[in-house]
Amino acid sequence: DVKVTQSSRYLVKRTGEKVFLECVQDMDHENMFWYRQDPGLGLRLIYFSYDVKMKEKGDIPEGYSVSREKKERFSLILESASTNQTSMYLCASRSWSRSTNEKLFFGSGTQLSVL
Amino acid sequence: GDSVTQMEGPVTLSEEAFLTINCTYTATGYPSLFWYVQYPGEGLQLLLKATKADDKGSNKGFEATYRKETTSFHLEKGSVQVSDSAVYFCALSVSSGSARQLTFGSGTQLTVLP
Repeated sequence: DVKVTQSSRYLVKRTGEKVFLECVQDMDHENMFWYRQDPGLGLRLIYFSYDVKMKEKGDIPEGYSVSREKKERFSLILESASTNQTSMYLCASRSWSRSTNEKLFFGSGTQLSVL
Repeated sequence: GDSVTQMEGPVTLSEEAFLTINCTYTATGYPSLFWYVQYPGEGLQLLLKATKADDKGSNKGFEATYRKETTSFHLEKGSVQVSDSAVYFCALSVSSGSARQLTFGSGTQLTVLP
């Protein structure tokens, strides 16, 4: 079975802390994504990576950075956490192939609370 | 820009009721359209998709038809079950740089009562 694993289900951090959210996929997918999910706003794309060491900003990149040193791992970094970054963070991956019809595979999410 | 608008929830139905969740979109070109479902405590998973006008996607008793003339992709099921309780997201895919990415609607919470 395909799997996208996020390192923590729940995380509590303090304002100003540097926070790392980790995501690992075992499907050899080229593309990986970080979204945040907020009530009434749905999913909003923070960053995505179409291959190792490649990254592009999504719709709401401010306050975040990412790292993709290995194909299977995509990290989201909050340089200095703020309370407005309290949210559910979802990682997803996808094979870059026209035959796969753009299906995303999601992790189960990390609920981050910034106090 | 490209966007997806879903009917607001929450939606509460009795078991075996008919379900419709409305979704309309705005896009340049010819997007692919998707419905994703998120069960409690889980990530999203693809429910169904349609890649061109008049295509019908179907899965697990759910259906949605890609209507270009009304820019809609409404989700329907004839008889819902308690196990269908979840959040449903409509989405479209657009080209952006070197990767096609998904734009999601705000989600509709469905609760089915026994």
